[in-house]
Amino acid sequence: EPEVTQTPSHQVTQMGQEVILRCVPISNHLYFYWYRQILGQKVEFLVSFYNNEISEKSEIFDDQFSVERPDGSNFTLKIRSTKLEDSAMYFCASRARADTGELFFGEGSRLTVL
Amino acid sequence: RKEVEQDPGPFNVPEGATVAFNCTYSNSASQSFFWYRQDCRKEPKLLMSVYSSGNEDGRFTAQLNRASQYISLLIRDSKLSDSATYLCVVNIYAGNMLTFGGGTRLMVKP
Repeated sequence: EPEVTQTPSHQVTQMGQEVILRCVPISNHLYFYWYRQILGQKVEFLVSFYNNEISEKSEIFDDQFSVERPDGSNFTLKIRSTKLEDSAMYFCASRARADTGELFFGEGSRLTVL
Repeated sequence: RKEVEQDPGPFNVPEGATVAFNCTYSNSASQSFFWYRQDCRKEPKLLMSVYSSGNEDGRFTAQLNRASQYISLLIRDSKLSDSATYLCVVNIYAGNMLTFGGGTRLMVKP
């Protein structure tokens, strides 16, 4: 069964460092997402990406965040200068079409900022 | 009013019980509704979509009440394996963004 894969599964970094989280969406999917979940809290939307550009982003997704699809398979989330409050599980998701609800999530990348 | 709101629970029920969760949403123009399931420290997974006329999948029944702006999930004959957090997900606004509720935690006890 096709799946969304994310790396790394866990990253520990110092405050102020840059972090890149990587995702390989399902190959025939067209819509890509990043969500985050702070421990014990709700799943929060960060950004959606379609046709090689950001289609929507939330207030959380400020200038410190960026996304990129550098080639035909990878979808990355970069945090330029991490803060303590960026510590969370970051989920990548993809879906085939906009009118179907099934977001396929990766297993997540846990980011710990010290 | 929160965009998507759920009772966090936990709902503690014995095996075999029937349990129901509700979820309210803020935008009357919302078009798409879903229930996801999330196990502890795992990724969310789609449980079922919610259709206007209501729909059933085995022991699970989902309903949509547009007038009162809520969706519901009914689980019959609860199993231990149903223990999880159930996430209400709504396409609140036009576009691709799906908004998650805070989740309702269900614990099924032997």
